[in-house]
Amino acid sequence: SQQGEEDPQALSIQEGENATMNCSYKTSINNLQWYRQNSGRGLVHLILIRSNEREKHSGRLRVTLDTSKKSSSLLITASRAADTASYFCATEGNSGYSTLTFGKGTMLLVSP
Amino acid sequence: NAGVTQTPKFQVLKTGQSMTLQCAQDMNHEYMSWYRQDPGMGLRLIHYSVGAGITDQGEVPNGYNVSRSTTEDFPLRLLSAAPSQTSVYFCASSSQGGGSGYTFGSGTRLTVV
Repeated sequence: SQQGEEDPQALSIQEGENATMNCSYKTSINNLQWYRQNSGRGLVHLILIRSNEREKHSGRLRVTLDTSKKSSSLLITASRAADTASYFCATEGNSGYSTLTFGKGTMLLVSP
Repeated sequence: NAGVTQTPKFQVLKTGQSMTLQCAQDMNHEYMSWYRQDPGMGLRLIHYSVGAGITDQGEVPNGYNVSRSTTEDFPLRLLSAAPSQTSVYFCASSSQGGGSGYTFGSGTRLTVV
């Protein structure tokens, strides 16, 4: 079953605008990760935030994590056409072996 | 530095045929996984391995078999292909603990007719 659920399912913005995607999950986690997938390609790891962290930055990316609400958000600032892709959150559980459980993704379209 | 290499990139099978999807990584990662991606479903875990000789089932293991004889290789076998196994398959690897995230292969697009 899906652990993470992204919201919105699709997002269309203009270049230069900020894009915010949200992810909710159900069970306790060790960390939460965000991945990007360009059409027809493999997934690329963007950023990882651990359960004891609340915010993390990487370039134009900002990720927040609220474990009390079991939710995370990914903010892409000053979007570019090249950011057009699907974005997935994935959670790594805190029991047993390390596996990732993915959400269904948010499709982001950035128009020039 | 090749990362995770999957072969073949495309495959068409007839119902009932068997085949092996290959996955190899050159990063000395302990953890390897197989996912399938279907439209609107995200990625679902098929099987995973935490080291050579150790494998376990994921969310959707039926109809698939894996083995891990070396750290580098993690092949996925379809025992008797069914149309429901039409999907895009991704292999991924991670260092122990996954603190740096997973590295994904470019995928195998499989069609079963």
